[in-house]
Amino acid sequence: EDQVTQSPEALRLQEGESSSLNCSYTVSGLRGLFWYRQDPGKGPEFLFTLYSAGEEKEKERLKATLTKKESFLHITAPKPEDSATYLCAVQGGGNNRKLIWGLGTSLAVNP
Amino acid sequence: EPEVTQTPSHQVTQMGQEVILRCVPISNHLYFYWYRQILGQKVEFLVSFYNNEISEKSEIFDDQFSVERPDGSNFTLKIRSTKLEDSAMYFCASSARRGGTDNYGYTFGSGTRLTVV
Repeated sequence: EDQVTQSPEALRLQEGESSSLNCSYTVSGLRGLFWYRQDPGKGPEFLFTLYSAGEEKEKERLKATLTKKESFLHITAPKPEDSATYLCAVQGGGNNRKLIWGLGTSLAVNP
Repeated sequence: EPEVTQTPSHQVTQMGQEVILRCVPISNHLYFYWYRQILGQKVEFLVSFYNNEISEKSEIFDDQFSVERPDGSNFTLKIRSTKLEDSAMYFCASSARRGGTDNYGYTFGSGTRLTVV
């Protein structure tokens, strides 16, 4: 069964304190791994799609990496506005295109 | 920046009543989706829609659920006879490419919080 597990569930950082969020997955034939950001009361906001092991993508203070079993979202020198829940989702192979989601990591960055 | 619009933002309904959740996807997107998120749980896939028909649905999407694109802009989710366990945040999403596998992913709306009492 396709599954996504994210850790930690919650993370509190000081402004400028870099860290990484983990997304472990099991899926039959990975088509894509997605990172989304979700602010309270809002829908998920797209950050990255990674397609194959070894791939990396960057956007401002965020960098996503992918291996065959997990993905990391590295946050470099975070700011308070980076506080949000970060969601990971995978899309398997075959005819299915649905996303299988993790529970997310709730990140709080203190000034 | 283009956005997906959902209405209403909150809906409270009596158990057994029908509800219709409305969405206006991004105008040049062709693929449409409904997901839901029960409080404290993972986001769950409900249904995907393309070319005026359902392309994929989950086990959650039973006979009580239906989707429709009644005109060129709206995309609706109907729950015929709501149950307490249907209480959740319902998200509509759209994408330019099937499955959102491009550099833009899905664009989600802000959701409709449905409370069944």
